[in-house]
Amino acid sequence: DQQVKQNSPSLSVQEGRISILNCDYTNSMFDYFLWYKKYPAEGPTFLISISSIKDKNEDGRFTVFLNKSAKHLSLHIVPSQPGDSAVYFCAASEEEYGNKLVFGAGTILRVKS
Amino acid sequence: NAGVTQTPKFQVLKTGQSMTLQCAQDMNHNSMYWYRQDPGMGLRLIYYSASEGTTDKGEVPNGYNVSRLNKREFSLRLESAAPSQTSVYFCASTSEVLAYTYEQYFGPGTRLTVT
Repeated sequence: DQQVKQNSPSLSVQEGRISILNCDYTNSMFDYFLWYKKYPAEGPTFLISISSIKDKNEDGRFTVFLNKSAKHLSLHIVPSQPGDSAVYFCAASEEEYGNKLVFGAGTILRVKS
Repeated sequence: NAGVTQTPKFQVLKTGQSMTLQCAQDMNHNSMYWYRQDPGMGLRLIYYSASEGTTDKGEVPNGYNVSRLNKREFSLRLESAAPSQTSVYFCASTSEVLAYTYEQYFGPGTRLTVT
């Protein structure tokens, strides 16, 4: 049973527009959430994170929103650029279990120029 | 800094063969991890080591063993490879400072095929 779900396997967006990637989770004990970006033949790289005590975190073009009541988070990329084309993984962690991360299946983002 | 390095990059094994995947980090991180990535499954934790000398099972440890050789190196061994272990394997590390943000640094991966 997947605790972190990314229900959209892929997303295609025009350059300059907004990309919205979604993630749902089932474990209410998760207290930290992260987004990782992965290019082909490379390892995932950290993008942005958010603590469960916040509902929004912004870093440049990237913003993560957390809705705890809905157990939902989203990553907004504005404006989208062709270099953003990659697989995006949502991950969650529970303080009790230390640094172990639970990952979603990933969403492939394609930004068309 | 090379960050997290993994060897080999690619490997093909026959069922029943054994091999060891090597991982090293030069960031003086305490914690190290092994994940596998399968289509539609995301990354799943196989084993982790919170510090030198300690190892613990993750979500999918069956068929694997690990060794935390020293602070830098964390190896993953397949004693008798099975086709179900065909996957991409990632090593990751993090420090006590980064522990508060759960951020992990990943290696480039090893693509393993078991025939």
